[in-house]
Amino acid sequence: DTGVSQNPRHKITKRGQNVTFRCDPISEHNRLYWYRQTLGQGPEFLTYFQNEAQLEKSRLLSDRFSAERPKGSFSTLEIQRTEQGDSAMYLCASSLAGLGGNEQFFGPGTRLTVL
Amino acid sequence: GQQVMQIPQYQHVQEGEDFTTYCNSSTTLSNIQWYKQRPGGHPVFLIQLVKSGEVKKQKRLTFQFGEAKKNSSLHITATQTTDVGTYFCSNGGSRQAGTALIFGKGTTLSVSS
Repeated sequence: DTGVSQNPRHKITKRGQNVTFRCDPISEHNRLYWYRQTLGQGPEFLTYFQNEAQLEKSRLLSDRFSAERPKGSFSTLEIQRTEQGDSAMYLCASSLAGLGGNEQFFGPGTRLTVL
Repeated sequence: GQQVMQIPQYQHVQEGEDFTTYCNSSTTLSNIQWYKQRPGGHPVFLIQLVKSGEVKKQKRLTFQFGEAKKNSSLHITATQTTDVGTYFCSNGGSRQAGTALIFGKGTTLSVSS
């Protein structure tokens, strides 16, 4: 499977715990995005990398959230001191810089439930 | 900030009926993208429109980009049960800038046979 993969697919945690998610983009894609989606809403942008550089971060992203893409390949998203409001589907997407559009390929997501 | 709005939020049709969803942006878009998300699935890219007034077709799906590049529509002819899902429009950003996508809330289509 050469698509975007995310792990874990589901995560249940207690409030106050830290969680980390991983995203493996399509191998030749140099751009990687994190989104959050709640029921009945469209994906909400969190942050974006080009290669290993984090180029954009949503103002909605609190300081409890941090993302890395150390070697310009896979990325991790960490949420510290989770809150019940963090419960959502966390989607990763990747795209390839170059001519044309900015179509993004999404992974299956990690569903986070904070108890 | 830029907003992308979609109507209707929900639409139920009988199989064989047509369906249209509309997307409006608060600002002029360089391009617009459409995605489909099946229940329990993730968004899947359908198409990108770039030119003012552009119309593109994919089998039973017709996509239009407004002349002012601030609105778009997706029309499905003779819906089938496989069309069920939520259709999102988003600002396409630009490939050079690699900007993040701003999604509308989507239109959820249900089809009864």
